[in-house]
Amino acid sequence: DAGVIQSPRHEVTEMGQEVTLRCKPISGHNSLFWYRQTMMRGLELLIYFNNNVPIDDSGMPEDRFSAKMPNASFSTLKIQPSEPRDSAVYFCASRPPRGGDGNQPQHFGDGTRLSIL
Amino acid sequence: AQSVAQPEDQVNVAEGNPLTVKCTYSVSGNPYLFWYVQYPNRGLQFLLKYITGDNLVKGSYGFEAEFNKSQTSFHLKKPSALVSDSALYFCAVRDREANTGFQKLVFGTGTRLLVSP
Repeated sequence: DAGVIQSPRHEVTEMGQEVTLRCKPISGHNSLFWYRQTMMRGLELLIYFNNNVPIDDSGMPEDRFSAKMPNASFSTLKIQPSEPRDSAVYFCASRPPRGGDGNQPQHFGDGTRLSIL
Repeated sequence: AQSVAQPEDQVNVAEGNPLTVKCTYSVSGNPYLFWYVQYPNRGLQFLLKYITGDNLVKGSYGFEAEFNKSQTSFHLKKPSALVSDSALYFCAVRDREANTGFQKLVFGTGTRLLVSP
């Protein structure tokens, strides 16, 4: 089974540039989550979608960040304009529909390491 | 709000010895608790979860966790540590919105486990 696929794995760009991170969730999963991980702040939930609809974006740091899920198999996280403090590892995770005990685990991609110079 | 605390930034143990990684929780209602592991340059991987039932939960790679309601703890354990267990471990609790039923995870700050040969 293919897991959650994120691209690119690494991105280095200059301050002010637009950055787009991509995620392909596991087929059949209906929830998708974007996280950011830094040494200082740990793992932060940015936004999550259910059935392609954004449910909670309270973790999105500011208006420079936006996320979309145009269909069940693709999501993007965009930063425009990017700043050095956005440097982090960004993870996407997906989760299957509720079943069994109703508490399905999230499945994580291997992340995008973003460096803004 | 639901939360978990991981009081140790790092745990050191010798190979072959038992290991414990600590987690305490604060929830309203019944706790739904998870452990994840993160290896270098990888995403988080699900280890085990507690929903209800037996207080001792068994998971992947020989790990288990003990749920203790009176101490509000959910410590991760393994009888005999391996060098390959060295990784970052996250405890998490389910946070469910009462009105919509949507669920997300609230993660702890993580504990780095170092197993020495």
